[in-house]
Amino acid sequence: DAGITQSPRHKVTETGTPVTLRCHQTENHRYMYWYRQDPGHGLRLIHYSYGVKDTDKGEVSDGYSVSRSKTEDFLLTLESATSSQTSVYFCAISDPASTGETQYFGPGTRLLVL
Amino acid sequence: AQTVTQSQPEMSVQEAETVTLSCTYDTSESDYYLFWYKQPPSRQMILVIRQEAYKQQNATENRFSVNFQKAAKSFSLKISDSQLGDAAMYFCAYRRLRDSNYQLIWGAGTKLIIKP
Repeated sequence: DAGITQSPRHKVTETGTPVTLRCHQTENHRYMYWYRQDPGHGLRLIHYSYGVKDTDKGEVSDGYSVSRSKTEDFLLTLESATSSQTSVYFCAISDPASTGETQYFGPGTRLLVL
Repeated sequence: AQTVTQSQPEMSVQEAETVTLSCTYDTSESDYYLFWYKQPPSRQMILVIRQEAYKQQNATENRFSVNFQKAAKSFSLKISDSQLGDAAMYFCAYRRLRDSNYQLIWGAGTKLIIKP
């Protein structure tokens, strides 16, 4: 957890505005993930990355885009935020060579869309 | 599609006693991984324990142990000598061995309350 940071930690925004969340890691792990957490749903995968500029969709990717131009940074963008995107967003990292099957999580970002 | 079910939305236990949290999953795969994560009020997601399906021996980490029943597709977490710091949401998660994206499938969680 010490090697993963998320910014901002809290954000309030209005419907229709673009929002970008940042995940930064210092572990040089290959895989990075964005999840959202909502009551009664556990965590749901939005997008993930398996290398620089290599990304793919998860189960709830509609309304979200991602980018990874550097190993250490994985950005999640809400192009036009909606109230249904109010949630807590978690970034996670893993690497077959070190963590294997285990994912390690950042501290989360609480997003409120009014 | 794989699913993970945690049938206990909330559990409570007296401090120093033992509690067991339930998790069942649905899969047609034979090779996979199972995890328990803890989420305290700080919201940080912390790995508690993991189990490889090909291992018959149940995983143990200090006061935390699992009862892995592969045929029944059950993966319960036992916490011995419960401590106040164990109060948290506990999530069970599954990952298929052959998933190149290492995607985790999560249960909805169980809230554990520790009574002093």
